[in-house]
Amino acid sequence: EIVLTQSPTTMAASPGEKVTITCRASSSVSYMHWYQQKPGASPKPWIYDTSKLASGVPNRFSGSGSGTSYSLTISSMETEDTATYYCQQWSSNSRTFGGGTKLELK
Amino acid sequence: EVQLVESGGGLVQPGRSMKLSCAASGFTFSNYGMAWVRQAPTKGLEWVATISYDGSSTYYRDSVKGRFTISRDNAKSTLYLQMNSLRSEDTATYYCTRVPGIGLFDYWGQGVMVTVSS
Repeated sequence: EIVLTQSPTTMAASPGEKVTITCRASSSVSYMHWYQQKPGASPKPWIYDTSKLASGVPNRFSGSGSGTSYSLTISSMETEDTATYYCQQWSSNSRTFGGGTKLELK
Repeated sequence: EVQLVESGGGLVQPGRSMKLSCAASGFTFSNYGMAWVRQAPTKGLEWVATISYDGSSTYYRDSVKGRFTISRDNAKSTLYLQMNSLRSEDTATYYCTRVPGIGLFDYWGQGVMVTVSS
C-alpha cells in the first residue's frame, strides 16, 4: 500500500501570505487529488488530477508535482481558506489519503 | 443536483453487525463506481471499499476484508455496506462517495456515525 505523508501537520498563515502544503508518496504515483474539509462538514474535492481545480475553487489555489512529491499552494491566504486539506492517490485499486494538514489563520 | 444520503448508523456492540445504506439521486447511478470512506473521531480520512458501476468488481482495505461487504442495487439507486464482526476501531463517520473513474471521490454524502462500543 502506498503511504502518503503530508507536511506540515498544522500551520498558521496570515492573510495575504503564500501557503504550500506538501504530500510525499512512498512510491511513485501518476497523479494526486486534494480535498478540503471544514469542521462538521463533509470533505470536498478541491484539486484533482494533480493540478486541475474543482468547480468553484478560487484560482489562488494551485497544484503541482510528479512522482513521489506533490504540493498544494495558495498564492495569497484568505480567511475562508482555513480548513484541513487531504491529499489522496489511487493505484492498484487501492486508495489512500494523507494524514491531513490543518491550516489556521494567524 | 447530485445527492447522497446515508442511513443505518448508530451504536452497536463489538462483534455485532450493521448495514449502512446510501440513497443516490441527481445522476445516473448505474454509470458510476461508488465507495465508502470513513473518518474516526478527530482523525483523518480512510478509504474503506469501492464497487464498480455494475457491481462486478469490489475492492477493500485490508483491515475490513472478510468482514465488510460493499454492494449496490442499481434499480433502487442505492449503495450498501454490510459490516460484520465490528470492532471498536471501526468507530467512525462513514461517507458514501461517487467515483467517476479517475480515482477521485467527487461527491460525498453528509456521513453517518457508527459507534462500536459495549
